Amino acid sequence: DVKVTQSSRYLVKRTGEKVFLECVQDMDHENMFWYRQDPGLGLRLIYFSYDVKMKEKGDIPEGYSVSREKKERFSLILESASTNQTSMYLCASLGAPIYEQYFGPGTRLTVT
Amino acid sequence: DAKTTQPNSMESNEEEPVHLPCNHSTISGTDYIHWYRQLPSQGPEYVIHGLTSNVNNRMASLAIAEDRKSSTLILHRATLRDAAVYYCILRAPYNFNKFYFGSGTKLNVKP
Repeated sequence: DVKVTQSSRYLVKRTGEKVFLECVQDMDHENMFWYRQDPGLGLRLIYFSYDVKMKEKGDIPEGYSVSREKKERFSLILESASTNQTSMYLCASLGAPIYEQYFGPGTRLTVT
Repeated sequence: DAKTTQPNSMESNEEEPVHLPCNHSTISGTDYIHWYRQLPSQGPEYVIHGLTSNVNNRMASLAIAEDRKSSTLILHRATLRDAAVYYCILRAPYNFNKFYFGSGTKLNVKP
């Protein structure tokens, strides 16, 4: 069974903290993605990576950075968490065939 | 980027067919139409995709209008487990890594 796992289902952090969200896939996929999901706004792409050490900004990259040191792992970093980053964060991967994107279960992050 | 329009919510009775519509009037000739769904407390999962012809798989059928400006996801016999948010997404070949998710249609299935 294909799998995308995320390090935490629920996370509570304080304003100003540095936050790491980890995502691991076991399908040897080249492409990995980070989205956030907010009520009424659907899923919005934050960053994606098409290869190790390669990344591209999505639609809402401000306040976030990413790291992809190994093919299977894609990390989302909130350098200084703020309350408006309270959201559900979803990681996904995409390989071949390129029509089926696999999502993790999500991390619900609350910043207080 | 081409966008999609879906109703916010729909309701169906269990074991009846469900037709979920999607409008994509600005679709380009090479955009693929994808459908994903998101069950409660889970990440989205792939349902089906197509380009021009109607498509069937074990989960659903996809009917694509001749002018490709709209499509319909068909669940042949809805079950309670089909209650989810259904997303209609266009994938542009020049930006194949980007899947633009809208707000989707929340499907409620009544027993």
